[in-house]
Amino acid sequence: AQKITQTQPGMFVQEKEAVTLDCTYDTSDPSYGLFWYKQPSSGEMIFLIYQGSYDQQNATEGRYSLNFQKARKSANLVISASQLGDSAMYFCASGGYSTLTFGKGTMLLVSP
Amino acid sequence: GAGVSQSPSNKVTEKGKDVELRCDPISGHTALYWYRQSLGQGLEFLIYFQGNSAPDKSGLPSDRFSAERTGGSVSTLTIQRTQQEDSAVYLCASSLVTGGPNTIYFGEGSWLTVV
Repeated sequence: AQKITQTQPGMFVQEKEAVTLDCTYDTSDPSYGLFWYKQPSSGEMIFLIYQGSYDQQNATEGRYSLNFQKARKSANLVISASQLGDSAMYFCASGGYSTLTFGKGTMLLVSP
Repeated sequence: GAGVSQSPSNKVTEKGKDVELRCDPISGHTALYWYRQSLGQGLEFLIYFQGNSAPDKSGLPSDRFSAERTGGSVSTLTIQRTQQEDSAVYLCASSLVTGGPNTIYFGEGSWLTVV
């Protein structure tokens, strides 16, 4: 079984600043993946970044990086140089070999 | 197709009616998922299909909900005798199956409103 906790219902950041969205997970799977998705107001779920549990290095994708701390069971998303278009809901998810379990999400608002 | 395709994009139905929601996964993806997202909430897993294996139906909330996947491709989610609490966005997703954790890719969802 998997459980994802996102403790920040909402976050505010100024344009061009960096922001960290928190995610902790609990899983009994020996091998698992951690994912972040973005959901803008239009509703589609957009895949952002993936981290495998055995990956030694933190994943990065452009302005997104995943701060993976396995011992703490945390997988925080860092967005550098925030842009107005980053305003959206962000969901953390984890999965083993089948389905993904999602957190309740964090609403990020980027102000000019 | 290039992405996961869902239809209808919006559906308004009367309480008690049956609805069918359709999903066409990314070509070559053998795994298909249905999730539900109620207003302002996270994603709730409903059902998972993988190849010819028996589907994982553990997330279906009641026996009014069923899904099938024909020919290992297109899937239909059926909700019988709809209730107002069924109003939500129904998201379909698909993925490859690689033997490890797989990234799933979502369609744009079917917005269901039960009045």
